[in-house]
Amino acid sequence: DSGVTQTPKHLITATGQRVTLRCSPRSGDLSVYWYQQSLDQGLQFLIQYYNGEERAKGNILERFSAQQFPDLHSELNLSSLELGDSALYFCASSPGGAPGTEAFFGQGTRLTVV
Amino acid sequence: AQSVAQPEDQVNVAEGNPLTVKCTYSVSGNPYLFWYVQYPNRGLQFLLKYITGDNLVKGSYGFEAEFNKSQTSFHLKKPSALVSDSALYFCAVRDFTGGGNKLTFGTGTQLKVEL
Repeated sequence: DSGVTQTPKHLITATGQRVTLRCSPRSGDLSVYWYQQSLDQGLQFLIQYYNGEERAKGNILERFSAQQFPDLHSELNLSSLELGDSALYFCASSPGGAPGTEAFFGQGTRLTVV
Repeated sequence: AQSVAQPEDQVNVAEGNPLTVKCTYSVSGNPYLFWYVQYPNRGLQFLLKYITGDNLVKGSYGFEAEFNKSQTSFHLKKPSALVSDSALYFCAVRDFTGGGNKLTFGTGTQLKVEL
């Protein structure tokens, strides 16, 4: 158990809908990262938050948004969903800014858009 | 930008034989390199990392990795493979591009250990 909790584990929804994925980082970790894993794109970095503020953005679509709350949990919002958004979405956390610290991953949310 | 490459999509090895999963890196500055393993329907699990110091890094489950600066490589190794080592392995580099400190991953190598 990595200590990172993601809910829900599975989500099936229709095209055009909006969903929210939730992540609780390890206790004390200030950084949260979101990744998308699909068969054709591999592991793609979406966005990073550090102590409530956005730190870096990757290949995140405009239909997607995220935030980190004062209690450090994070949510990833996906809207106007398309079939191609079906993927495994991972959240990871790490203590902070030290480059040598590893990130710990949750078990992921498997999103299926039908 | 920082990047890593995993040249092999799949590696097959017999149980009991040594295994190597290859990774090369391209970074500006000091490299911070990581290996993760992913079992089916699971998240990524941290195996080991290289920050500085000894070129041979030891990690979880008997895995080790050799950092080679001249060849810009960070290959994952294990002296004796187990069937239970069969999984997807990712090499990653700490990437400071864009202001954050994300991990940028390679494309992954599927390891299959056969009896």
